[in-house]
Amino acid sequence: TQLLEQSPQFLSIQEGENLTVYCNSSSVFSSLQWYRQEPGEGPVLLVTVVTGGEVKKLKRLTFQFGDARKDSSLHITAAQPGDTGLYLCAGPLKGNQGGKLIFGQGTELSVKP
Amino acid sequence: NAGVTQTPKFRVLKTGQSMTLLCAQDMNHEYMYWYRQDPGMGLRLIHYSVGEGTTAKGEVPDGYNVSRLKKQNFLLGLESAAPSQTSVYFCASSSIDRDYGYTFGSGTRLTVV
Repeated sequence: TQLLEQSPQFLSIQEGENLTVYCNSSSVFSSLQWYRQEPGEGPVLLVTVVTGGEVKKLKRLTFQFGDARKDSSLHITAAQPGDTGLYLCAGPLKGNQGGKLIFGQGTELSVKP
Repeated sequence: NAGVTQTPKFRVLKTGQSMTLLCAQDMNHEYMYWYRQDPGMGLRLIHYSVGEGTTAKGEVPDGYNVSRLKKQNFLLGLESAAPSQTSVYFCASSSIDRDYGYTFGSGTRLTVV
């Protein structure tokens, strides 16, 4: 069974601090995606990483796909209150039809001013 | 620029009542999905569809039915609501190229009393 485990589950930091969220699996994924979900809204796609070792940057957010394509990380530099939300990683189920994704449990980030 | 629209946003049902959740997408996506999101359980796939007229079971299909009579619409039905179905329901859609990721609706918060 493919599983995605995220850590930490909860993170509360002060504005300006840096943080890293991890998404790990024992299975190989063809790609991994990161979503951010704000209270009362649906998740919004931030990025898709496809190649092992790939690094993508989105302003202050840096996403990395592990060389073996079993893990990914999200690093936020100088966090701001607007970064508060639930961060989810997701990956396609192996050999499945219909584009089904498996989601991690999420990391709930709170950035205090 | 609507994306995925879910109706209603909130609903309270009595045990045993039935209802239909509506999902509409305007991106001509082939794939559509219904998820439920519960604290500590993450996003769990209820049913999904790979095209007009097709549906398939996901991880937690019991107590739910779906229909996709038109490509742009995906309906989720609860025939006889139970308190265990109290949850936030999200509809999502994606293109055949999964690297584009999912577009989610803003969710329906359902309470069964």
